[in-house]
Amino acid sequence: AAGVIQSPRHLIKEKRETATLKCYPIPRHDTVYWYQQGPGQDPQFLISFYEKMQSDKGSIPDRFSAQQFSDYHSELNMSSLELGDSALYFCASSSLLAGAGEQYFGPGTRLTVT
Amino acid sequence: KQEVTQIPAALSVPEGENLVLNCSFTDSAIYNLQWFRQDPGKGLTSLLLIQSSQREQTSGRLNASLDKSSGRSTLYIAASQPGDSATYLCAVNSGGYQKVTFGIGTKLQVIP
Repeated sequence: AAGVIQSPRHLIKEKRETATLKCYPIPRHDTVYWYQQGPGQDPQFLISFYEKMQSDKGSIPDRFSAQQFSDYHSELNMSSLELGDSALYFCASSSLLAGAGEQYFGPGTRLTVT
Repeated sequence: KQEVTQIPAALSVPEGENLVLNCSFTDSAIYNLQWFRQDPGKGLTSLLLIQSSQREQTSGRLNASLDKSSGRSTLYIAASQPGDSATYLCAVNSGGYQKVTFGIGTKLQVIP
């Protein structure tokens, strides 16, 4: 069965650079979520999209933005990167119709800011 | 605001033991609850999902229970194996399309 795809899997950037993370949800899933997991921390919710519209917003810095495209893939754009942005970024997708709201997580993108 | 707590933070058991991991949440108005496994530096593997109307779910050696009224869930692992060593995270979904709130996890080590 198809799973959530995230790219790239690993990314190394320098401070003040920009990074773009991509997420491809499970086919027919209509909601995408982004989470950030710092070292030794639990995943923290950043932002979500339902049918290409932002549906919820968590502790996402103003330097970050995200969108969901017509093909339902989503991108998380991160600018003016800081050392503290180094983390594992997860994307998840769900569908109330197809999966009773269960969130399926991708493998994550490990971002290292140097 | 939903808060999720997991106890203990770490657990070390000899191989073959049965064990229980605990999860508590502050807002009982939940949609579902998921248990995940995470190996060091790796992604999240979904183990079990319990809908708010269910009391328990089983998968192999794993059994998860849910007591919504008391805000508690437990993950029971039978006959533990060294391969079970990982961090186990509890995640609560408070609405159908809402974010999940994670606990900090229980780091399990099964000693051969």
